[in-house]
Amino acid sequence: KNQVEQSPQSLIILEGKNCTLQCNYTVSPFSNLRWYKQDTGRGPVSLTIMTFSENTKSNGRYTATLDADTKQSSLHITASQLSDSASYICVVSLRNSGYALNFGKGTSLLVTP
Amino acid sequence: GAGVSQSPSNKVTEKGKDVELRCDPISGHTALYWYRQSLGQGLEFLIYFQGNSAPDKSGLPSDRFSAERTGGSVSTLTIQRTQQEDSAVYLCASSLSGGSGIYEQYFGPGTRLTVT
Repeated sequence: KNQVEQSPQSLIILEGKNCTLQCNYTVSPFSNLRWYKQDTGRGPVSLTIMTFSENTKSNGRYTATLDADTKQSSLHITASQLSDSASYICVVSLRNSGYALNFGKGTSLLVTP
Repeated sequence: GAGVSQSPSNKVTEKGKDVELRCDPISGHTALYWYRQSLGQGLEFLIYFQGNSAPDKSGLPSDRFSAERTGGSVSTLTIQRTQQEDSAVYLCASSLSGGSGIYEQYFGPGTRLTVT
């Protein structure tokens, strides 16, 4: 069973609009949660990393939130651009195992003109 | 500086043939990871190297898969007697270190393997 569930599976929005991607996880004990952006044909690139003590972290127009109690995270994209079209992957890491990453299947975002 | 590089970028092979995939990590990074990304699936951990320690091979799907890391730098993932289900994108990543800390993983562009 996948311990990291993302929704929606895919999303289409108009350029300039905002959107929010969701991630629910059951991984335990939890260490940190990461959001990656993966452009088509490229490797994932890190957007944010949050530990259990952090509630929010921003990286430009990307803002991630974390609720460790409910085991939910979201990635909010503000004023979307065409270049935001990509797959966004939520990754949860186990405590005391910095390399043991549990990957979600990703949300495929398409930003249209 | 240079990022993680992988070669080849694409590989088409016939069922039953052996393939070798190469990864050049970022200079100075002691930790190296291999992942597999199948269509519509999340990344799947394959193997992890940390310095001179014995690698964690727990993610390798079968004994047809093996990997080595020479001189603590370049790594090669070998798939013997390839099967059609091996078709996927194979991603390599490296980080400054591994273990219990929180280290950023930097990914290469991947090798797309197609087994016909």
